Amino acid sequence: TQLLEQSPQFLSIQEGENLTVYCNSSSVFSSLQWYRQEPGEGPVLLVTVVTGGEVKKLKRLTFQFGDARKDSSLHITAAQPGDTGLYLCAGAYYSTLTFGKGTMLLVSP
Amino acid sequence: GAVVSQHPSRVICKSGTSVKIECRSLDFQATTMFWYRQFPKQSLMLMATSNEGSKATYEQGVEKDKFLINHASLTLSTLTVTSAHPEDSSFYICSARRVGGFGYTFGSGTRLTVV
Repeated sequence: TQLLEQSPQFLSIQEGENLTVYCNSSSVFSSLQWYRQEPGEGPVLLVTVVTGGEVKKLKRLTFQFGDARKDSSLHITAAQPGDTGLYLCAGAYYSTLTFGKGTMLLVSP
Repeated sequence: GAVVSQHPSRVICKSGTSVKIECRSLDFQATTMFWYRQFPKQSLMLMATSNEGSKATYEQGVEKDKFLINHASLTLSTLTVTSAHPEDSSFYICSARRVGGFGYTFGSGTRLTVV
């Protein structure tokens, strides 16, 4: 069983602050994905990282995959209320996707 | 881009009845689709992996006779909740991966309420 520990579980910040969400495992994944989910909707893929040490940027979001492909982080710069949502990391092992428990982010104006 | 359509988005049914949820990949073929269950403010829990043309693979603790999965074509998988009980009320989400791709595309989910 591939387990992903995601932290923090909840984060409440003010607009303009920076934050980092972590996703850690003792297992190696072929790829790792980050998703954002709004209430009552399915998760939407933000990014897929495949190569150890890879860094990807998506506007104010920076994603990093650990060198050993066991961990990842999501950093948001100058958070905005529109960033509010549930952020999920998910590790791919063969065709199976294992989700972390998610980070509920609330950004207040 | 890859689009997955899930229907219905909301359903209310009486205890003891069955409910079918459809998951369609609209612009790509998916030999494998996945069904998840999600409780409020929690992450997604994989229920089963649906394989086109063969039996689904269920995760430990998921009753295969209660959650019937059929993947009859490369673009359609269905989940039938049989003899539904109030404890089956949940948010069910399907996903599919384009052959050769990395990312998974999710449906918009189905909110099932059993009364």
